[in-house]
Amino acid sequence: AQTVTQSQPEMSVQEAETVTLSCTYDTSENNYYLFWYKQPPSRQMILVIRQEAYKQQNATENRFSVNFQKAAKSFSLKISDSQLGDTAMYFCAFIGNNNDMRFGAGTRLTVKP
Amino acid sequence: EPEVTQTPSHQVTQMGQEVILRCVPISNHLYFYWYRQILGQKVEFLVSFYNNEISEKSEIFDDQFSVERPDGSNFTLKIRSTKLEDSAMYFCASSLIELETQYFGPGTRLLVL
Repeated sequence: AQTVTQSQPEMSVQEAETVTLSCTYDTSENNYYLFWYKQPPSRQMILVIRQEAYKQQNATENRFSVNFQKAAKSFSLKISDSQLGDTAMYFCAFIGNNNDMRFGAGTRLTVKP
Repeated sequence: EPEVTQTPSHQVTQMGQEVILRCVPISNHLYFYWYRQILGQKVEFLVSFYNNEISEKSEIFDDQFSVERPDGSNFTLKIRSTKLEDSAMYFCASSLIELETQYFGPGTRLLVL
């Protein structure tokens, strides 16, 4: 079974600084997708970024980028130029062949002014 | 931009009562999902639905739960006899194709008393 591990329950960063959130996963599959979702206090799940396992190039979306290390089964999220609105829970997620998304336990990120 | 919608946003019910949570997926999407998130915990997969039948379900999705697509737009989750431990946020999601990005609705906060 696939598992997703986020080892940082809480993180904080100063506004305008850079922060990296860690995620590791366990799977025997070769083709899968990885995601980072953001959950602000409203509790809505908002897609931040996605990565296809077959792509070697790391995905980027504006201030958000990932460091995807397939051999190490690692998928970290880097947030550059942190903004107050980035304060939220961040969930790493995995989809494999059976199409059910598995989430990590989440990292609560606080951006401090 | 098309989005997934869910109604109601909040529901309070008595233990043992039936509840129906409603979702309108993105119109051209073919795969539909329900997830739940107990307060303070990770998001958990319940069920996926494609071509008018369940394609995957988790161990959480027992006989108390059922899903239906009663018409061309709605996707519902029914809990037949609610228990206290069913109190959670329930998220609907949809995707265009299998193993693709899932777009989440805003959630329904269910409280069972």
